[in-house]
Amino acid sequence: GAGVSQSPSNKVTEKGKDVELRCDPISGHTALYWYRQSLGQGLEFLIYFQGNSAPDKSGLPSDRFSAERTGGSVSTLTIQRTQQEDSAVYLCASSLGTGVYEQYFGPGTRLTVT
Amino acid sequence: GDSVTQMEGPVTLSEEAFLTINCTYTATGYPSLFWYVQYPGEGLQLLLKATKADDKGSNKGFEATYRKETTSFHLEKGSVQVSDSAVYFCALSVRSSNTGKLIFGQGTTLQVKP
Repeated sequence: GAGVSQSPSNKVTEKGKDVELRCDPISGHTALYWYRQSLGQGLEFLIYFQGNSAPDKSGLPSDRFSAERTGGSVSTLTIQRTQQEDSAVYLCASSLGTGVYEQYFGPGTRLTVT
Repeated sequence: GDSVTQMEGPVTLSEEAFLTINCTYTATGYPSLFWYVQYPGEGLQLLLKATKADDKGSNKGFEATYRKETTSFHLEKGSVQVSDSAVYFCALSVRSSNTGKLIFGQGTTLQVKP
């Protein structure tokens, strides 16, 4: 079946612009995660959605970052007023639930802020 | 806070050599432990996992044993192949957390030469 998909695969933007990154999780997966992979910080958790519960936003690095998940499926990560330090690969993952369920990762969106 | 420390790479081995990648963790709860692998040009995928002390995870000839007394989860393979060249990430998920978010180590690059 289809895996986790993300779009765009690459995004180049100018400093100060807003960007939106999209994630389509595996159908039926109730949990959805966003992570960031950067050279300086490695792989970091950003935000988590589970069903209709309030999201865990504890990993978002600043208030310029926000995310939503519509209808319990597709998720969008928005970065406002991008900075060069936002350059990274943004990974989305989904799973059947939390805890020991395997998280399936998408291919990522490579964001470059110039 | 919870954290994972991996041996620094890159690790360069000849084909059929024995592989060990060290991983130690710090966690306040009772973590589940994972090894994820990222092959060149591909997304992160789960390699193996262990959910409680003394469990051994295994897959594709790789093994790792959950050692609570030494807070370690070292990855081993008896005979590596060129196709094992990839970046390997050790990760934990604290079960007392409601999110199941993964905390990753920095990653270790493995290069296997023929």
